[in-house]
Amino acid sequence: DVVLTQTPPTLSATIGQSVSISCRSSQSLLDSDGDTYLNWLLQRPGQSPQLLIYSVSNLESGVPNRFSGSGSETDFTLKISGVEAEDLGVYYCMQATHAPYTFGAGTKLELK
Amino acid sequence: QVTLKESGPGILQPSQTLSLTCSFSGFSLSTSGICVSWIRQPSGKGLEWLATICWEDSKGYNPSLKNRLTISKDTSNNQAFLKITSVDTADTAIYYCAHGPWGVMDAWGQGASVTVSS
Repeated sequence: DVVLTQTPPTLSATIGQSVSISCRSSQSLLDSDGDTYLNWLLQRPGQSPQLLIYSVSNLESGVPNRFSGSGSETDFTLKISGVEAEDLGVYYCMQATHAPYTFGAGTKLELK
Repeated sequence: QVTLKESGPGILQPSQTLSLTCSFSGFSLSTSGICVSWIRQPSGKGLEWLATICWEDSKGYNPSLKNRLTISKDTSNNQAFLKITSVDTADTAIYYCAHGPWGVMDAWGQGASVTVSS
């Protein structure tokens, strides 16, 4: 199975600060169809996960544009440009290029 | 607006079969490109993909659960189902269903809590 390693496991930030989360894959996530199926999700406390970004860098409808994704092959980054209070929670990367789908262990974003 | 809601037995005993239902609205599982996935999350832990079924009845399963999983759908009634046989305490978790094209989960249900206990 593809292992996704997220760093850091915990991130402390102040409101307005820009932060980045890394997701490193044990295999290239570039599919034979040319797409890279690496997604980012946020799970706020007590809530279900929600999709933020799909296929590395595509912002899901309704998601604020302070969120951005980048990367290729095995190294991916989620950036939040100016953290807001509603951004607190656990961020997961997830891959769907190789069966079975797998998730990273999560990065908890908390207020400093 | 896409909405999904999971339902299940709440509690069951080891060795029993877990049956889960995902009731949804705002989309049809007969529409080209649409899939429903099942994912679970033990309390305080991360996410584990279990299975996916798509509009043309293609299915995918997590091999870590070997042959214990069966996913199915009822297109007419806007429902998807997941069965897990021979449950044990390790299957205690919140079970989510999610909508999206293959590989993307763009809408999630609220989750159904399942406890396996004797």
